[in-house]
Amino acid sequence: GQNIDQPTEMTATEGAIVQINCTYQTSGFNGLFWYQQHAGEAPTFLSYNVLDGLEEKGRFSSFLSRSKGYSYLLLKELQMKDSASYLCAVREGGSYIPTFGRGTSLIVHP
Amino acid sequence: GAGVSQTPSNKVTEKGKYVELRCDPISGHTALYWYRQSLGQGPEFLIYFQGTGAADDSGLPNDRFFAVRPEGSVSTLKIQRTERGDSAMYLCASSLTATSGGTDTQYFGPGTRLTVL
Repeated sequence: GQNIDQPTEMTATEGAIVQINCTYQTSGFNGLFWYQQHAGEAPTFLSYNVLDGLEEKGRFSSFLSRSKGYSYLLLKELQMKDSASYLCAVREGGSYIPTFGRGTSLIVHP
Repeated sequence: GAGVSQTPSNKVTEKGKYVELRCDPISGHTALYWYRQSLGQGPEFLIYFQGTGAADDSGLPNDRFFAVRPEGSVSTLKIQRTERGDSAMYLCASSLTATSGGTDTQYFGPGTRLTVL
């Protein structure tokens, strides 16, 4: 089984930078995903990490350290529309199915 | 279609009734997944299809839940003798294929909100 831990809620100011952490414990590792989910909508894919390091994609970056069982999602130049839940999902070795964390609700205020 | 579609968007039923939820994946996607999401929680895996066959149904909570994908495209999630605890958002996702490596990005549909009274 897997244990995925994310903060429940975070708040940040428009224009600022926020880092959302995700820690996991798994018997094997085969990829970590970040999804964004606005209230009442489906999750949308943001990023995928399988090797250590930083993956940058526009205002969003995702970092992975496999030895520490740790990832973070970095959001820069925050906009009001970034208010959403951010889901960390981890896939165990040999599995096709990622397991999702509970998500971090991010509130961006003016 | 351009994305994953699910019908109905909302379903209200009474305890004990039977419901069917439909998912139409992205054209050409061979892998299809069903998840259930309760408020404040992440999606919880139910079942995964590769083509027509259920490759992994370990997430189905009990034998009241069943899913089919007879022609390898549209899938139907069936719930018998619904209970109030079945109330949740049911999400369907598809991916081009499914391997234990690689991105295999899952694209989610808008979900069906099921309410059991």
